[in-house]
Amino acid sequence: AQSVAQPEDQVNVAEGNPLTVKCTYSVSGNPYLFWYVQYPNRGLQFLLKYITGDNLVKGSYGFEAEFNKSQTSFHLKKPSALVSDSALYFCAVRDGYNFNKFYFGSGTKLNVKP
Amino acid sequence: SQTIHQWPATLVQPVGSPLSLECTVEGTSNPNLYWYRQAAGRGLQLLFYSVGIGQISSEVPQNLSASRPQDRQFILSSKKLLLSDSGFYLCAWSVFSRQYNEQFFGPGTRLTVL
Repeated sequence: AQSVAQPEDQVNVAEGNPLTVKCTYSVSGNPYLFWYVQYPNRGLQFLLKYITGDNLVKGSYGFEAEFNKSQTSFHLKKPSALVSDSALYFCAVRDGYNFNKFYFGSGTKLNVKP
Repeated sequence: SQTIHQWPATLVQPVGSPLSLECTVEGTSNPNLYWYRQAAGRGLQLLFYSVGIGQISSEVPQNLSASRPQDRQFILSSKKLLLSDSGFYLCAWSVFSRQYNEQFFGPGTRLTVL
């Protein structure tokens, strides 16, 4: 079965500190992994993706994610959090057989305190 | 550039009434189109996806149906709404490609069934 797990419902971090939002996945074949951000009452916005190549992927708004094949993880990171980063973050994986389908994690609420 | 529209933005409907939500995409051809439902501001549930006109794949048996009458138009419908149909409905599109599969989401429709 193909799935994505985001083990933390909520992550709290102080502004200026580094942040990590965790994601682990299970997929057949090569993993195609994505991070999205959602602000209240809005659609999701694409942040970054891992297809192949470097394990450290850089994306929008200073975010990056580290792909770890042995741990089947794709954690989202940012060196210095901003209050405006407070939002709901989703990890997603593409189906290994049906390239038209995606599986999303349950979401992690990031709270950045001033 | 590509844009995706959804309407209405909010909708309050009585139980047993019909539903029609519309999604249109501009600036791209032959996109994959998706309907998701997000309950309680959390995880996304894939409802339907379409890889072409008239082609609909249903992921979850339920009270809803989808249609794609034109290349860039995707409609979500119900003949009789249930209380459990309440939620935030998101339309998304992606390019049909093995390499570039990130999804782009519309602003969403907040449906409340009373």
